[in-house]
Amino acid sequence: QVQLQQWGARLLKPSETLSLTCAVYGGSFSGYYWSWIRQPPGKGLEWIGEINDSGNTNYNPSLKSRVSISVDTSKNQFSLKLNSVTAADTAVYFCASRTMTFDYWGEGTLVTVSS
Amino acid sequence: DIQMTQSPSSLSASVGDRVTITCQASQDIVNYLNWYQQKPGKAPKLLIYDASNLDTGVPSRFSGSDSGTEFTFTINSLQPEDIATYYCQQYANLPITFGQGTRLEIK
Repeated sequence: QVQLQQWGARLLKPSETLSLTCAVYGGSFSGYYWSWIRQPPGKGLEWIGEINDSGNTNYNPSLKSRVSISVDTSKNQFSLKLNSVTAADTAVYFCASRTMTFDYWGEGTLVTVSS
Repeated sequence: DIQMTQSPSSLSASVGDRVTITCQASQDIVNYLNWYQQKPGKAPKLLIYDASNLDTGVPSRFSGSDSGTEFTFTINSLQPEDIATYYCQQYANLPITFGQGTRLEIK
């Protein structure tokens, strides 16, 4: 059974960089796209982007200029960086594995941007 | 981007009722459409994949169907544990997009 454990800074000031990491346990790291999805409080889901074990990335055009997703296959981990955050980036951030579906999810991290 | 227009945004129904949620895609997505259930404070859970296939372990009261670019999600005989928000999600084209969600409440 695949488990995803995520961590990172939970309180940021405007203009800082959001940084989250997700570790994958209990399954193969290959054969998936490793994704980040966010959900502002009380709102819907937004796909941020993804990476596979070869380092191929796909990003949502709405965030592409500020997003970077990287992978460390030696540790079965992948990471999200989002630059120049504002209050609009306040959300629960989920990591997830994707094939045709989002199969496995992290528990989510609430990241708050506030001065 | 493919827009997924989900309706209704909220729904109140009684235990035992049949509940229907729809998602309209802005362009052809074949059947590349999944449905998720999200309970408060939790990550979404896959219920239906490729429009009409029930994921492993999901109760048979949940079902999905499609007709062109309109997709329907149905709960037959609503149960109290079905209280949640439901999302459709397309993966025909990147970026992956979700419907706005349907919040389901018990009357």
